[in-house]
Amino acid sequence: DAMVIQNPRYQVTQFGKPVTLSCSQTLNHNVMYWYQQKSSQAPKLLFHYYDKDFNNEADTPDNFQSRRPNTSFCFLDIRSPGLGDAAMYLCATSRAISGGRRAYEQYFGPGTRLTVT
Amino acid sequence: AQKITQTQPGMFVQEKEAVTLDCTYDTSDPSYGLFWYKQPSSGEMIFLIYQGSYDQQNATEGRYSLNFQKARKSANLVISASQLGDSAMYFCAMREGDLGNQFYFGTGTSLTVIP
Repeated sequence: DAMVIQNPRYQVTQFGKPVTLSCSQTLNHNVMYWYQQKSSQAPKLLFHYYDKDFNNEADTPDNFQSRRPNTSFCFLDIRSPGLGDAAMYLCATSRAISGGRRAYEQYFGPGTRLTVT
Repeated sequence: AQKITQTQPGMFVQEKEAVTLDCTYDTSDPSYGLFWYKQPSSGEMIFLIYQGSYDQQNATEGRYSLNFQKARKSANLVISASQLGDSAMYFCAMREGDLGNQFYFGTGTSLTVIP
């Protein structure tokens, strides 16, 4: 059974037209992440939520926003997509570390491949 | 400084042979976790193996083992008896600290298994 679900798997949008990518999880994890990954590169963290606390990376463009209405769902909004925003967008979840000295792994969704025309 | 360094952009291995993928890390935090992920061409990141900084023994998961050398700050992945399905990108990652929620990824190694 899928644990981290991303919809849609493929998204085509026009230059400048807002787009929303969605992620849901059945793991009840505290932490949810959004990564951007371009071809043959490492995933680049855009932001993450620890419960409702939003943590933005310093170099994430303002064009990228996120919402987490509840534990299960997280959305990535791209307000005005540019050609350079074409990429794979990966959602991941993890348990937060709580002093047990066990660093929990991330679980990734299948990704949404965004094309900007 | 890079938190995670993977110096092998591409590796080739003969089917049924073993292969080692290198990873070095940089942290001053005594508490951290090290992870390896596999990313096939389909794009999904698959968790393979975990090593905690306080773990006394090297982690193993089936054909995967992690050669953890703490003093050298290295966490190399060993894949034994390579299979064609092992062809993929492999990423090393680290999570720091007892309250660290951020993961640092290396640049990845592309592994090709040759029949």
